[in-house]
Amino acid sequence: DAGVIQSPRHEVTEMGQEVTLRCKPISGHNSLFWYRQTMMRGLELLIYFNNNVPIDDSGMPEDRFSAKMPNASFSTLKIQPSEPRDSAVYFCASSLGLAGGGTDTQYFGPGTRLTVL
Amino acid sequence: QKEVEQNSGPLSVPEGAIASLNCTYSDRGSQSFFWYRQYSGKSPELIMFIYSNGDKEDGRFTAQLNKASQYVSLLIRDSQPSDSATYLCAVINTGNQFYFGTGTSLTVIP
Repeated sequence: DAGVIQSPRHEVTEMGQEVTLRCKPISGHNSLFWYRQTMMRGLELLIYFNNNVPIDDSGMPEDRFSAKMPNASFSTLKIQPSEPRDSAVYFCASSLGLAGGGTDTQYFGPGTRLTVL
Repeated sequence: QKEVEQNSGPLSVPEGAIASLNCTYSDRGSQSFFWYRQYSGKSPELIMFIYSNGDKEDGRFTAQLNKASQYVSLLIRDSQPSDSATYLCAVINTGNQFYFGTGTSLTVIP
């Protein structure tokens, strides 16, 4: 299996621009997670989906952030408008499910390094 | 109080020694516990998961879970320079929420 695929790997944009990050989970995985990692705050869960339905978006910092999962093989995280404080590495992860017994093990994509100038 | 807490380190051990990494969590009902390793500039990768009290061994790695004291630890035996990385503890709590600790930086000195 190809693992979790994220694009782009690097994104540099200017403040105020819209940014869209993309993720393809591992085939057969039913849960998908978006994380943000910074030196100051570590790894933070932004939102996760189960069977394409958003389950918990309490980590989404504000209305500028939105995420969608239109089907089982694709998800997007959008920031509009972007701000310099959004600069971070954004990871997507997927798991078989949420039921324990190893099914809730998350596998991470390579991440997207976002820089907002 | 944070959901998951780790000593940020850095922790330095000589090659061949045992490295001990610790993690505490706040939700007593949490059921799933994970250790991830993250090399600089890379994504986290799973080392092992543990669900039951006691020890779980996988090669040079041993995870220890004590639900009564709400801690989970990772022991790395015969530490190698290639083990130098940041180790992240993760917990799924009773609300099915997934929390990572801030990580412990480990350096194995040749």
